Amino acid sequence: SQTIHQWPATLVQPVGSPLSLECTVEGTSNPNLYWYRQAAGRGLQLLFYSVGIGQISSEVPQNLSASRPQDRQFILSSKKLLLSDSGFYLCAWSPKIGTFNQPQHFGDGTRLSIL
Amino acid sequence: QKEVEQNSGPLSVPEGAIASLNCTYSDRVSQSFFWYRQYSGKSPELIMSIYSNGDKEDGRFTAQLNKASQYVSLLIRDSQPSDSATYLCAAAKSGQNFVFGPGTRLSVLP
Repeated sequence: SQTIHQWPATLVQPVGSPLSLECTVEGTSNPNLYWYRQAAGRGLQLLFYSVGIGQISSEVPQNLSASRPQDRQFILSSKKLLLSDSGFYLCAWSPKIGTFNQPQHFGDGTRLSIL
Repeated sequence: QKEVEQNSGPLSVPEGAIASLNCTYSDRVSQSFFWYRQYSGKSPELIMSIYSNGDKEDGRFTAQLNKASQYVSLLIRDSQPSDSATYLCAAAKSGQNFVFGPGTRLSVLP
């Protein structure tokens, strides 16, 4: 079966510090990968998605970036965090099957607090 | 901006009752629809997918899709306190990314 791992679970960072969040998927190959952010009490905001190694699409311009160095690895980064970057960061994957969109499956998330 | 709308709630139902959660979407060509449950502080987990008009049942959950009215609903029969969570609706066009609604908070009262 497929599993998705995200770490760390919680992170407290000062303003202006760098960020690296990692996500890996097991039990599948060539998945679609996604990074979302959920602010407190808000909905899910898609940040980046990737359909393959090195292929990254950005949905929201900001000081974050994403990379996919390996098929099942997705990394979210920032060189300098802002207060507004606080939130719950979720990685998700979906298989490439058929013509209809397949469900996305989420990792446990990283709760990021910026001080 | 194409949107998915949900009543934010909270929707309160007594234990054992049917909870009805509603979702409307604005993009008429959306083809795929999903319901997720999100407990406080946790990540969303998939409850159901629905692609065709009509009802789809899975245990105590029934998803209903009406593409003509651009309306998706989730019924939870015999609601339990453990069903208390935020329920997220998502819609997608073929090959496009999901659009999530803001979620409806459900509270099942013992």
